[in-house]
Amino acid sequence: DAKTTQPTSMDCAEGRAANLPCNHSTISGNEYVYWYRQIHSQGPQYIIHGLKNNETNEMASLIITEDRKSSTLILPHATLRDTAVYYCIVSYGSGNTGKLIFGQGTTLQVKP
Amino acid sequence: EAQVTQNPRYLITVTGKKLTVTCSQNMNHEYMSWYRQDPGLGLRQIYYSMNVEVTDKGDVPEGYKVSRKEKRNFPLILESPSPNQTSLYFCASSLEERETQYFGPGTRLLVL
Repeated sequence: DAKTTQPTSMDCAEGRAANLPCNHSTISGNEYVYWYRQIHSQGPQYIIHGLKNNETNEMASLIITEDRKSSTLILPHATLRDTAVYYCIVSYGSGNTGKLIFGQGTTLQVKP
Repeated sequence: EAQVTQNPRYLITVTGKKLTVTCSQNMNHEYMSWYRQDPGLGLRQIYYSMNVEVTDKGDVPEGYKVSRKEKRNFPLILESPSPNQTSLYFCASSLEERETQYFGPGTRLLVL
């Protein structure tokens, strides 16, 4: 079962920052927070990940609270091509299966 | 360009006709995995492979086979497809089982 809670959907105006929240109150000390997105029915695309420090790359920024119970993915200047389902993942499942546990994600609609 | 490729991208077949979906990665990744995605059920892991000749079942392995004879390839075999295997299939790879995973573009399968 997914160990994260995300809003079902969000809207964002084109050119504005999109802030996508994620709650992961049961995260354990060695679990990373990963963000992936899926555009239409394409393969999920890795965005960013972090353990406890804030992270930034060319796609996004990840802000993790000090207690690590929640995080926010920030797309600084959203474009229409950022319309997608965004998944916050904190678990690979039990054992060493490498299985990513995808929840329902947040459908982000970027509007002109 | 680093990528995971899948073939075919779309396939319509009939019940009982054996088929193979190929997956190849050019990143020298050790870990590879197959998922299926169905509406309302999210992505579920079918099989995974830690390295050449090392494969194991995921959550929904029934009706599927895999092989890993070479590091770059991880084909998914449906010996006798049935309509309940109609789905969107994704192959993924990563350096190790708990590293960032890179997904292929997907194969949409319809079994009549």
